[in-house]
Amino acid sequence: DQQVKQNSPSLSVQEGRISILNCDYTNSMFDYFLWYKKYPAEGPTFLISISSIKDKNEDGRFTVFLNKSAKHLSLHIVPSQPGDSAVYFCAASAGNQFYFGTGTSLTVIP
Amino acid sequence: DAGITQSPRHKVTETGTPVTLRCHQTENHRYMYWYRQDPGHGLRLIHYSYGVKDTDKGEVSDGYSVSRSKTEDFLLTLESATSSQTSVYFCAISPASGGLNEKLFFGSGTQLSVL
Repeated sequence: DQQVKQNSPSLSVQEGRISILNCDYTNSMFDYFLWYKKYPAEGPTFLISISSIKDKNEDGRFTVFLNKSAKHLSLHIVPSQPGDSAVYFCAASAGNQFYFGTGTSLTVIP
Repeated sequence: DAGITQSPRHKVTETGTPVTLRCHQTENHRYMYWYRQDPGHGLRLIHYSYGVKDTDKGEVSDGYSVSRSKTEDFLLTLESATSSQTSVYFCAISPASGGLNEKLFFGSGTQLSVL
């Protein structure tokens, strides 16, 4: 059973506009959530995270929102840039195990 | 960049042969993990280690074994490779507190093809 789900396999956005990537989870024990970015032939790299005690965390162009009651988190990228084109994975953890979603491939069109 | 080296980077092998993938870290992190990445499945945890000789199973551990005899090395072994184990394998590490609002750092991956 997939405990972390990303229902949109792909997303295309015009440069300068907002990209919104979504993620849902099922396990209410998850208390820490992360977003990773992955380019082809490279390992995933950490982007931004949020603890379950918060509902928003911002880092430059990237903002993560957490809605615990809906078990939903989202990543907003504003403004989107061509270099943001990559696969984005959301992840959730409870203790020392990290569970990942299936990824969303973002394409930012110049 | 976290000091994580995976070897080999690419491997092609035949069904039924044993395969060992190596992960080496220079960060002295306590936790080490093996994930596999497959289309439609994302990243799935195979095994992880929370110290020397301390390991545990993940979501998809069948057909895999691991060993950690030194803090810096975490080995993943496919005792008898099958075509379903064709995948990209990622090693990840996490600092000493392991999972308490810590993040994972990933290696560059090993592309394994089982023919």
